[in-house]
Amino acid sequence: KNEVEQSPQNLTAQEGEFITINCSYSVGISALHWLQQHPGGGIVSLFMLSSGKKKHGRLIATINIQEKHSSLHITASHPRDSAVYICAVVRSGGGADGLTFGKGTHLIIQP
Amino acid sequence: NAGVMQNPRHLVRRRGQEARLRCSPMKGHSHVYWYRQLPEEGLKFMVYLQKENIIDESGMPKERFSAEFPKEGPSILRIQQVVRGDSAAYFCASSLGQGRNTEAFFGQGTRLTVV
Repeated sequence: KNEVEQSPQNLTAQEGEFITINCSYSVGISALHWLQQHPGGGIVSLFMLSSGKKKHGRLIATINIQEKHSSLHITASHPRDSAVYICAVVRSGGGADGLTFGKGTHLIIQP
Repeated sequence: NAGVMQNPRHLVRRRGQEARLRCSPMKGHSHVYWYRQLPEEGLKFMVYLQKENIIDESGMPKERFSAEFPKEGPSILRIQQVVRGDSAAYFCASSLGQGRNTEAFFGQGTRLTVV
């Protein structure tokens, strides 16, 4: 079982819909990142959070440390939001210093 | 202020050749991370470096792979005697601070194809 699980793996929605992508993790963490990757493109960091909620434009990220769960929401979705959204965690305690990633959620927003 | 710069964007190598991937961190950043994204798989941590030091290389294969981040110049990920299984996208990220909760900025990646 992966230490970081995302759902759904694939999501197709109509323009304007409210989108929710979920991330669950099984390890202790000190922070969680949400990343965006466009086809053939680089990776953009959307949020880094360790508690509560953050909002940037139409994007909202929440985290519940007790439940080991985070969600990424997109309001008023648009075709340009089509991308892979990746959840990544920073493990607490010892171990590798890099991020541990989920496999990503492929989002397609149809006009 | 340029972001994290990786070059080349695309690299084709024949089996047995060497691949050198470069990463220039954001200005002022002294912490660099390398990640690999295999086709149809998620990203995996490879190595974490600070200037002139390898801090954590637990994710890097023990053979053929090496990384450096010299005092001057970019960080280099070097793959010797490449094999088809090395074909992947390699991403570099840099951060300003040394804490694990410091935000990291990613480059565009280098897509390596071994033929």
